[in-house]
Amino acid sequence: QQQVKQSPQSLIVQKGGIPIINCAYENTAFDYFPWYQQFPGKGPALLIAIRPDVSEKKEGRFTISFNKSAKQFSLHIMDSQPGDSATYFCAASDSGNTGKLIFGQGTTLQVKP
Amino acid sequence: DAMVIQNPRYQVTQFGKPVTLSCSQTLNHNVMYWYQQKSSQAPKLLFHYYDKDFNNEADTPDNFQSRRPNTSFCFLDIRSPGLGDAAMYLCATSRGGANTEAFFGQGTRLTVV
Repeated sequence: QQQVKQSPQSLIVQKGGIPIINCAYENTAFDYFPWYQQFPGKGPALLIAIRPDVSEKKEGRFTISFNKSAKQFSLHIMDSQPGDSATYFCAASDSGNTGKLIFGQGTTLQVKP
Repeated sequence: DAMVIQNPRYQVTQFGKPVTLSCSQTLNHNVMYWYQQKSSQAPKLLFHYYDKDFNNEADTPDNFQSRRPNTSFCFLDIRSPGLGDAAMYLCATSRGGANTEAFFGQGTRLTVV
């Protein structure tokens, strides 16, 4: 029940395309859903995050869609660029649990020029 | 201006030889986490401190220990590294509580020879 399932494992898009990464969870106690971006050899960095009382959040070219009833959320990257090529992790946390993050399996995105 | 600093960035240790990885933070955050990330996998939480309270994940091997002498520093001790412990070790911090962002360090890449 602590798992966060992420798909696809890898994704290749052309520059300007809109890659979509999906995540699903079971634990209804989760109340914070961040997305992290990780470049090779670096630590993950927070990209965007959403709470379950909001169905969509947009920051720049990145949008999270959240479906509370389905227990699913997704990341959309608008007008993707080669510099967006990285590994993306969704995560979830339970605020009653000192904020520890449960990560999805990760999606390696390649944006071709 | 790095806020979560991990040293060293790369560590090579011999099989069975104790090794210590260090993490420091300038954010004055209550919570410090240690994650293990193996190649092409999601970060896996080993343990975390909320202030001085230590919280071990149920599946963290006894071979892994941690110390937090003060708010700013946290150490990961691997008592007898095995080949399977080769990984990236990530330190992260957060204020704790609801909806708080976790800030990651650059990680330490551990090689066991």
